[in-house]
This record gives sequence, C-alpha cells and structure tokens, in this order.
Amino acid sequence: EAQVTQNPRYLITVTGKKLTVTCSQNMNHEYMSWYRQDPGLGLRQIYYSMNVEVTDKGDVPEGYKVSRKEKRNFPLILESPSPNQTSLYFCASSLLGVNTEAFFGQGTRLTVV
Amino acid sequence: KQEVTQIPAALSVPEGENLVLNCSFTDSAIYNLQWFRQDPGKGLTSLLLIQSSQREQTSGRLNASLDKSSGRSTLYIAASQPGDSATYLCAVRSDRGSTLGRLYFGRGTQLTVWP
Repeated sequence: EAQVTQNPRYLITVTGKKLTVTCSQNMNHEYMSWYRQDPGLGLRQIYYSMNVEVTDKGDVPEGYKVSRKEKRNFPLILESPSPNQTSLYFCASSLLGVNTEAFFGQGTRLTVV
Repeated sequence: KQEVTQIPAALSVPEGENLVLNCSFTDSAIYNLQWFRQDPGKGLTSLLLIQSSQREQTSGRLNASLDKSSGRSTLYIAASQPGDSATYLCAVRSDRGSTLGRLYFGRGTQLTVWP
C-alpha cells in the first residue's frame, strides 16, 4: 500500500530535549516536505527536499533541521525544542510534475512543556 | 509569492443541500490543484486532483473545477451528508522556477452538515 509513515504520532517533551520525528514513504517520490499546522494559521511549510542530499527552507524553518540521506526518509529534527514549537506536524511526499498527487502522513502532535 | 484564499471560512448547512466551496490563488503558474479533507486532529485525505490543463474532475458526489487563468477553483458537494462534516483544504502546486513543486495551502473551509 502506498503510504507516508510518520512516527511518533503523539509526543510530549520538555524544553531543550532534542527530538526527531521520522518520515518514510514507499512510493519512490523525489519531493518530500514538512509542514506545521496551527489554529488560525493553516499549514506552513518548514523544509522541503527535491531529492537525496537536496534540502531547502520553507516559510518557517527556524528551530528545525532536516536531512535526506536516502530517498525514502526525511526526518525532522528539533535540536532544542521550545513551547512555541507545540503544533501538529505533517510530512508529505510526491513526484514532481503535472499529474502529481501529494500524499500526507497521519500527523505528529507535539507538545513541548 | 503565491497566496491561496478559501471562502467561506466556515459553513453550516442542513443535510441534503448542495454546496459550493471556493478557492482562489494569485499566481497562475501551477502544476495542479488538489482538494483535501481533514477531520479534527487528523491527517489530510486527498479528494480530487486537477491538472493545470484540465477544467474539472469528479469523484462520486464531489466535483471540482479549475479556471487557471482567473485563479479560481470550486468544490461542489452534492446532496451533503453529516459525514461530510470536516475541514476542506485547497492546495496549488507551483510551476514557477524558484518554488518549483512547492504546495501552497488555503486556510480551509470548516463544513458542518447537520441532520
């Protein structure tokens, strides 16, 4: 089954404790991206990657890191989480081109206390 | 920069009504437009994808249209049901060099269908 898998689904952590949210897709997609969703602000892109070892900043990259060492994986790293990073996070993947549907993971609800 | 606007922000209707949700975008350099459904606290479910060269797509009771030159799309829901209650999101995929492949989202229309 074609899917994007995020882990964990829920996470409560403390300020400053490094964490990683994993994202994996099984569709051989080139394009992967991370979004955060906050009430009243909609979905905002954090980082994206157009292929292995190619990553770039989205609209709200501060406080986040990513890597793309393999095509299927695109982890989101919070080196020193802060309460303002409490949010619902989504990973997405797609091919590039006209007929390219974006597939989303189920989301990770992160709370930083 | 691409801006996507969805109107209305919220809609509450009785069961059985036909609905129109609107989406507009400022930059016509798009690969495609995709409509999603999101239930509270859940992930995004893709409903329809319209390529930039297409005018409309249909899936069951859903019909989406695209007028790329005017920067507009509509999602038509026929004979609405309580199970249609969710937030509907519109997203366009950029075909412009510096933002190639990037998705831009509207803030959604929150739909409530009551029995």
